[in-house]
Amino acid sequence: QITLKESGPTLVKPTQTLTLTCTFSGFSLSTSGVGVGWIRQPPGKALEWLALIYWNDDKRYSPSLKSRLTITKDTSKNQVVLTMTNMDPVDTATYYCALRGPAARRANNWFDPWGQGTLVTVSS
Amino acid sequence: SYVLTQPPSVSVAPGKTARITCGGNNIGSKSVHWYQQKPGQAPVLVIYYDSDRPSGIPERFSGSNSGNTATLTISRVEAGDEADYYCQVWDSSSDHAVFGGGTQLTVL
Repeated sequence: QITLKESGPTLVKPTQTLTLTCTFSGFSLSTSGVGVGWIRQPPGKALEWLALIYWNDDKRYSPSLKSRLTITKDTSKNQVVLTMTNMDPVDTATYYCALRGPAARRANNWFDPWGQGTLVTVSS
Repeated sequence: SYVLTQPPSVSVAPGKTARITCGGNNIGSKSVHWYQQKPGQAPVLVIYYDSDRPSGIPERFSGSNSGNTATLTISRVEAGDEADYYCQVWDSSSDHAVFGGGTQLTVL
């Protein structure tokens, strides 16, 4: 059974750096083809993709947030970490991590399953 | 940047067929994936590769994709299908995922 779970602070102040951890089980990020992504959702709004890291440490970022995001993996701990700098109240959202589906080509990437999400509020 | 357009809301009576569209420039050349999100829950994949269903998803859920529009079709709609639905593609030109704005499905 594949599971993912997000953890991190529930409240951060403006200008601070957010660090979120995705701890997973049921698969290994050292297996060819595997990837873990981050997606967020502001309250009452749509999903927004943030970043994806592949088994070979290849990384992809949202063009609009690229300068603020860093995604890393710790294969031995079965964890993926996302950092976002210079947090602002508009970054208040539920942050999800999800497993990249077993698409043969990266052009067909999808996400399944997802973690339960963690709500991060940005406020002074 | 690639844009996916969904209607904000769709309403359907129980037992009828709901169709939720996802518009994008030449979206028929891309693989479209659909997620269902119920209130307070994480999204769940219901369709991938335009029309494939993950295990555990009822056959009532189907998908199609051609031209500039992809469609999620839910047949014999049930009250439990009431949720937000999101389409998603991978934009190969800029190598990132794109989600549609979501459609709220209301079962009358």
